[in-house]
Amino acid sequence: GQNIDQPTEMTATEGAIVQINCTYQTSGFNGLFWYQQHAGEAPTFLSYNVLDGLEEKGRFSSFLSRSKGYSYLLLKELQMKDSASYLCGVMDSNYQLIWGAGTKLIIKP
Amino acid sequence: SAVISQKPSRDICQRGTSLTIQCQVDSQVTMMFWYRQQPGQSLTLIATANQGSEATYESGFVIDKFPISRPNLTFSTLTVSNMSPEDSSIYLCSGNTGVETQYFGPGTRLLVL
Repeated sequence: GQNIDQPTEMTATEGAIVQINCTYQTSGFNGLFWYQQHAGEAPTFLSYNVLDGLEEKGRFSSFLSRSKGYSYLLLKELQMKDSASYLCGVMDSNYQLIWGAGTKLIIKP
Repeated sequence: SAVISQKPSRDICQRGTSLTIQCQVDSQVTMMFWYRQQPGQSLTLIATANQGSEATYESGFVIDKFPISRPNLTFSTLTVSNMSPEDSSIYLCSGNTGVETQYFGPGTRLLVL
């Protein structure tokens, strides 16, 4: 079956760095997405990785290793507004997105 | 990019009634999807809305309960039929303009009494 695993909840301190991991097993692979979702709001796009390596976008970076079925989202210089759920999604061979359960990130002052 | 709007943004409905949710995209998208999200949980795909033909439903979702239309490349509707309290959820419309870009609507918050 298809499976996406990510931690349920993480806590970090304002100004620090946090890494949210995602492992996946899917039928084929057409890219991995990270989305941010604040409570009561729709998910917003953060990153898309289809090739191995690190993609950096400001304070957020996303890494992919296809051979290991592994990705992480790295958030630097954490701000209180980064408190949200972070969803990992993998697009399978049918171009269908399979979603992880999401990681709730709590930022403390 | 694409901007997706949904109507209504929220509704409170009585058991046994039906609600149709509209999804409008400001540009043509290749594929459109309908998701359900229970509080505190991730996204569950209900179906892929196909233009001009019947939607493709995921396991556990059927056309009689969730009829979907997509008359063109920028518009789709999802109907939640014969509602029960278990249908209380957030319903999200999504579309992509390419493999690497998927956009979400703001969601419709449904409460069934």
